[in-house]
Amino acid sequence: AQTVTQSQPEMSVQEAETVTLSCTYDTSESDYYLFWYKQPPSRQMILVIRQEAYKQQNATENRFSVNFQKAAKSFSLKISDSQLGDAAMYFCAYERGSNYKLTFGKGTLLTVNP
Amino acid sequence: GAGVSQSPSNKVTEKGKDVELRCDPISGHTALYWYRQSLGQGLEFLIYFQGNSAPDKSGLPSDRFSAERTGGSVSTLTIQRTQQEDSAVYLCASTLIWGRETQYFGPGTRLLVL
Repeated sequence: AQTVTQSQPEMSVQEAETVTLSCTYDTSESDYYLFWYKQPPSRQMILVIRQEAYKQQNATENRFSVNFQKAAKSFSLKISDSQLGDAAMYFCAYERGSNYKLTFGKGTLLTVNP
Repeated sequence: GAGVSQSPSNKVTEKGKDVELRCDPISGHTALYWYRQSLGQGLEFLIYFQGNSAPDKSGLPSDRFSAERTGGSVSTLTIQRTQQEDSAVYLCASTLIWGRETQYFGPGTRLLVL
């Protein structure tokens, strides 16, 4: 079974600084997708970034970028120029290709200090 | 619609009562997913629908849980004879088609069983 591990239950960062959230996963599949979702106190799960395993290039979305190390099964999220609105719970998730179930990590609570 | 909507936003019920949770997916999305988010178990997949059929119900925790979808749109998750361990946030997501698509989530229903 696939597992997703987020080893940092909590992280904090100063506004305008950079922070990296860690995620590792375990799978024997070669076709899969990885996601970072953000969940603010409103409970709405918001997609931050998506990475297809077959793509070597790391995905980026504005201030958010990933470091995808397929051999190491590592998928970290870097947030640059952190803003107060980035404060939330961040979940790493895995989806096997042509599947439908997302497997989530336990989450990392990010605090942004002014 | 603009996004996935869920109702009620919060539900408090007494142990032993039945509850119905509703999910209205993004217009035109054919696939719909239910997840449960609890303190002890994190985020767990429950069931998904492709159209009105549910090919995989293996994530439902017990036979007290059931779900249906009618007209390829709205879905209802029913929990019979609620127990305190059913207290959780129930999240719904939808995708345009099944597989290889990013899941877009609703705001969830927070269920508290007293």
